[in-house]
Amino acid sequence: AQSVTQLGSHVSVSEGALVLLRCNYSSSVPPYLFWYVQYPNQGLQLLLKYTTGATLVKGINGFEAEFKKSETSFHLTKPSAHMSDAAEYFCAVGGYTGRRALTFGSGTRLQVQP
Amino acid sequence: DVKVTQSSRYLVKRTGEKVFLECVQDMDHENMFWYRQDPGLGLRLIYFSYDVKMKEKGDIPEGYSVSREKKERFSLILESASTNQTSMYLCASSSGLAGGSYNEQFFGPGTRLTVL
Repeated sequence: AQSVTQLGSHVSVSEGALVLLRCNYSSSVPPYLFWYVQYPNQGLQLLLKYTTGATLVKGINGFEAEFKKSETSFHLTKPSAHMSDAAEYFCAVGGYTGRRALTFGSGTRLQVQP
Repeated sequence: DVKVTQSSRYLVKRTGEKVFLECVQDMDHENMFWYRQDPGLGLRLIYFSYDVKMKEKGDIPEGYSVSREKKERFSLILESASTNQTSMYLCASSSGLAGGSYNEQFFGPGTRLTVL
């Protein structure tokens, strides 16, 4: 079985500040990890994903995430927040478990203050 | 670009009505999914399909059924809508063969369903 825990349902940062959204996972097989973003009244859009190889993954809009197996974490970061980053962010885990669907976390809503 | 479209953005139905939510993808993906999204609960999988006429229950299938008669189309059916089915419904699709959820899922814009 797989599960995802996102710490903090709401995170607020100032424009220009570091963004850090936390994701911890549980998986009995090597995980495939994803971060999605959802802007208001829209579907989810892929930010970045980790499958194999380099553990630091760069995504769109200046976001990146680092896979840390020892900590079972895949935290999302961005050095400098922009107002347009305000959205809800979801971490998800997949892998060769026989289950085709991803398992999603409960989401973190990011607020960016001017 | 992959495109996943859903038949309605907003839908209002009455308790007991039969409701159809339609989803179409244009990338010849094998897998299609229906999720519901509720505040604080994230996305929960209702059903998915890995081939035409094939389906599997997800985590919360009760009160729902699905139909996949053509590869590009996946329908979610609420046989008798209830107020606790008021939610945002998201459809997604992905490529990939048996055994692994390793490919990106592409999402539609969602249908916000209100059951009165």
